[in-house]
Amino acid sequence: GNSVTQMEGPVTLSEEAFLTINCTYTATGYPSLFWYVQYPGEGLQLLLKATKADDKGSNKGFEATYRKETTSFHLEKGSVQVSDSAVYFCALSVTGNQFYFGTGTSLTVIP
Amino acid sequence: DTGVSQDPRHKITKRGQNVTFRCDPISEHNRLYWYRQTLGQGPEFLTYFQNEAQLEKSRLLSDRFSAERPKGSFSTLEIQRTEQGDSAMYLCASSPIMGPFNSPLHFGNGTRLTVT
Repeated sequence: GNSVTQMEGPVTLSEEAFLTINCTYTATGYPSLFWYVQYPGEGLQLLLKATKADDKGSNKGFEATYRKETTSFHLEKGSVQVSDSAVYFCALSVTGNQFYFGTGTSLTVIP
Repeated sequence: DTGVSQDPRHKITKRGQNVTFRCDPISEHNRLYWYRQTLGQGPEFLTYFQNEAQLEKSRLLSDRFSAERPKGSFSTLEIQRTEQGDSAMYLCASSPIMGPFNSPLHFGNGTRLTVT
């Protein structure tokens, strides 16, 4: 079946620290991969995406590379800010109709 | 682009009552999705419309749940005879048709249902 596993949180980092949130997936076909972010009090919004192997999605200083050989799509940022505090969801879609989400990783960045 | 709008934001109801939620998608988006999110979990797919046609339903969508999108614009999700296990955040999302793999979801802020 299709599923996403992401590292459990919560994650607490100091400002300017390096961030990695791990995400691995299982898919019956050839998925597109996404990271969504949910800021406090807001709806989920797309952070970045990648649609084929070795693609790198990037936005707002965040990056993730589609690794088919390791079925992974880890989210990274070199220097986090307090404003990055949010819940991050890894997701995949095979058909473009159904999206499968991970359980979310809560990130808190302290000054 | 005014975003996806959901109403109400919060709903508290007693077990056994019926509830209805509304979603207004981004106007040019053909696809509309309903998801459910419980505490500590990611969104779980419930159902999906392309224009007015309901094309896919999850096993999670029991016969107490019904969704409509009568004119291919707004959608409603009704839960009949609510149970405490229905307590969750109900999320609506929409997307344009841009090809099979390049249509990310645009989410509303959700309707939080509490069944007492």
